[in-house]
Amino acid sequence: GAVVSQHPSWVICKSGTSVKIECRSLDFQATTMFWYRQFPKQSLMLMATSNEGSKATYEQGVEKDKFLINHASLTLSTLTVTSAHPEDSSFYICSAKHLYRDNEQYFGPGTRLTVT
Amino acid sequence: QKEVEQDPGPLSVPEGAIVSLNCTYSNSAFQYFMWYRQYSRKGPELLMYTYSSGNKEDGRFTAQVDKSSKYISLFIRDSQPSDSATYLCAMVTGGGNKLTFGTGTQLKVEL
Repeated sequence: GAVVSQHPSWVICKSGTSVKIECRSLDFQATTMFWYRQFPKQSLMLMATSNEGSKATYEQGVEKDKFLINHASLTLSTLTVTSAHPEDSSFYICSAKHLYRDNEQYFGPGTRLTVT
Repeated sequence: QKEVEQDPGPLSVPEGAIVSLNCTYSNSAFQYFMWYRQYSRKGPELLMYTYSSGNKEDGRFTAQVDKSSKYISLFIRDSQPSDSATYLCAMVTGGGNKLTFGTGTQLKVEL
């Protein structure tokens, strides 16, 4: 149990376009989901915290107008990278906090974004 | 000083060895402690979750927490090549949401 999926797993897009990444908790409900980015050989950097039905909370230095987050249900959160640029190329990973197992977070497999 | 310190490695051990991975932390408000395993180009996988000082065992893995010393460990017995990955410690305050990660230790188990 406690499986999180992400779609797509890999995406290449052109500079200036937008990309949407989906994060789903498949067998549990999650009122809170998190979005991270990870550069090669580095640890995860939290971008934002997403609560179902409310606005996301962004970490300092993360542009909320560039990284749009929607958490419309207890099992789905989306991250849209708007007007992507090559420097946005990274590994994006979501995690979901299990509704009934406080403090346990389960991660998705990640989405590799390459902006050309 | 970082809130969580973790030796990045790399750590190379022979198959069958006992592996010890460690993290220290400075924030005494951390109450819950986790170990994640991350294979290259994959998301982290939750291995162990603990919330009290002492040991917790699950198969070949043992998580140890010493809150008085602000020190946590993960032991892997009978290590296998499939254990080769990056191991991340993570912790969160009581009632908190955000995980604070260590930098991760890269482990390689060689045949």
